[in-house]
Formats: sequence, structure tokens, C-alpha cells
Amino acid sequence: AQSVAQPEDQVNVAEGNPLTVKCTYSVSGNPYLFWYVQYPNRGLQFLLKYITGDNLVKGSYGFEAEFNKSQTSFHLKKPSALVSDSALYFCAVRDWDDYKLSFGAGTTVTVRA
Amino acid sequence: SQTIHQWPATLVQPVGSPLSLECTVEGTSNPNLYWYRQAAGRGLQLLFYSVGIGQISSEVPQNLSASRPQDRQFILSSKKLLLSDSGFYLCAWSGPPTERGYNEQFFGPGTRLTVL
Repeated sequence: AQSVAQPEDQVNVAEGNPLTVKCTYSVSGNPYLFWYVQYPNRGLQFLLKYITGDNLVKGSYGFEAEFNKSQTSFHLKKPSALVSDSALYFCAVRDWDDYKLSFGAGTTVTVRA
Repeated sequence: SQTIHQWPATLVQPVGSPLSLECTVEGTSNPNLYWYRQAAGRGLQLLFYSVGIGQISSEVPQNLSASRPQDRQFILSSKKLLLSDSGFYLCAWSGPPTERGYNEQFFGPGTRLTVL
């Protein structure tokens, strides 16, 4: 079985400050991890993924995520947040041979000017 | 490049009426296709999955059904809508599995369904 936890329903940061959105996962095998962003009344946009290799993954719009196997975490980060980063963020995980993605409940990010 | 379309964008239907939502993908062939429902702007629930024409896997038993009449077309249907069918319906596609398994999924713009 696979699952994802996003412990924070909401994250509030000031523009220009670092942004971190937390994600922990559970899978039986090697994890394949993903981050998506959703703006109001829009579909999910793919940001980045971890399959194998470097633990620090770089993605779209200046976002990056750090894979930590010992802590079973895959936190999303951005060094300097923008107001336009305000959105709903989803972490997702799957086992390597499973078509099904398991999504977290989502974290609402609000960046204030 | 690949694009995914969904229509209609919004839909208001009375209880007991039929439903047909359409999803099409361009710029790829033999995609895996998915239907999700998102309630209250939060968690996503996988409803159906398809690996090819006429091949549908149902994840949640309910009054909804899915069909894939063409390679890049995925349809979500219901004969009689319930109030609980209201939500945001998302279609997604991914490429066929590689030696590393299944790739990331790419989502359409969604359909907002309100059942009154």
C-alpha cells in the first residue's frame, strides 16, 4: 500500500521569503514522488518528480524538492516566494510498478505581498 | 507537444438526469487515461483508468461509468445523477510504462459539475 501525508493544511509566507511545503510518504518498494500545483478552478500542473538519482530535484517555476529516504520525506521548496505562487499544492507517490498515484490532501500556500 | 482537453468546463444538471463528460488528448498515441473527482477543492479520488481502447478499470463502485471509444478519447457517463456526484472532474493522461514504471500524469482543465 502507498500513502502520502501533507501535515500542513495551510502555509503562509511573505513574498521574498523561503517557502517549504512538507510531504511524507509510505510505499512498499522504491518510491516515485511527484509535486503538482493547482490554481483555483484549474487542473493540476506538474512541477517536478523524483524517480532515482540526485536527492535534490529541480522543477518548474524555481521550485525544487529534496528526497530524504531515511525520513521518508519529499519536501517542496522555493528560495524566494512570489505572490503568484499562492495556490494549492499536492504531493503524490506511487510504487514503481503501479499505475495509481496516491495524492496527499493538499496544502494551501498563501504568499502575502 | 501534447495537450489535453475537457468539456464542458462547467455543467449544472438536475438530479436524475444523464451525464456525459468528454476528454481528448492530442500529440501522443496510446496514452494511459484517468478520470478523477475532486471534492471541495481538496483530495483527488481516482474513478477510472484505461490502458487502451475499450479497456476500463473501475476504482470506485458507483453510478458512474467510463468508456474509451477511440485511442485518445475518454468519456465519463452516468444514467442518473445523484446530488453526491457534484464535484470537479479531472481527466489525466500519462505515457505507457517504461522500464522504470509509469510516468507522471498530466491533467486537463477540469469540468465543474453541480447537481441540483
